Amino acid sequence: DSGVTQTPKHLITATGQRVTLRCSPRSGDLSVYWYQQSLDQGLQFLIQYYNGEERAKGNILERFSAQQFPDLHSELNLSSLELGDSALYFCASSVGSTGLGETQYFGPGTRLLVL
Amino acid sequence: GEDVEQSLFLSVREGDSSVINCTYTDSSSTYLYWYKQEPGAGLQLLTYIFSNMDMKQDQRLTVLLNKKDKHLSLRIADTQTGDSAIYFCAEMRGSARQLTFGSGTQLTVLP
Repeated sequence: DSGVTQTPKHLITATGQRVTLRCSPRSGDLSVYWYQQSLDQGLQFLIQYYNGEERAKGNILERFSAQQFPDLHSELNLSSLELGDSALYFCASSVGSTGLGETQYFGPGTRLLVL
Repeated sequence: GEDVEQSLFLSVREGDSSVINCTYTDSSSTYLYWYKQEPGAGLQLLTYIFSNMDMKQDQRLTVLLNKKDKHLSLRIADTQTGDSAIYFCAEMRGSARQLTFGSGTQLTVLP
């Protein structure tokens, strides 16, 4: 158990809908990362937050957004869902300091199926 | 190129050693990581190596780093059926220190 929690574990929804994925980082970690794992794209970095502020964006679609709250939990919002958004979405957290503090610990993931 | 590369499949007999290889791209990467993903599960951090090291040993795991060739390997000694999983190497890049992953190597351990 990495100490990173994600809810829900599974999500089934229809095209055009909007969903929210939630992540709680390990105790003491300030940095949260979101990754998408799909069969065709592999594991891809989406976005990072550090202590409530967006720090970097990767291959994140404009239909997707995220935020990190004062209690450091994070939410990833996916809207106007398409079939191709079906994937496993991982959250990872790190202390956020340089060196070993950058090591990322992953949650169990949320499996999203868009029908 | 831009990709972190790994071979897709590896099969070994139980009790043998497994060696999973990876080539990465960013010579400025400070840490390189190995993660394990079992079916239906998340990514478990197995080990890491700092870029100024050549080798790191952690129980049955040995990581070798050839910085000149940007080649990383993970050796699992006395491989067990419970080691069957997908193994990802990852390098840390960019200002956000995000991870760039290889495609993963599916390790199958045969009895």
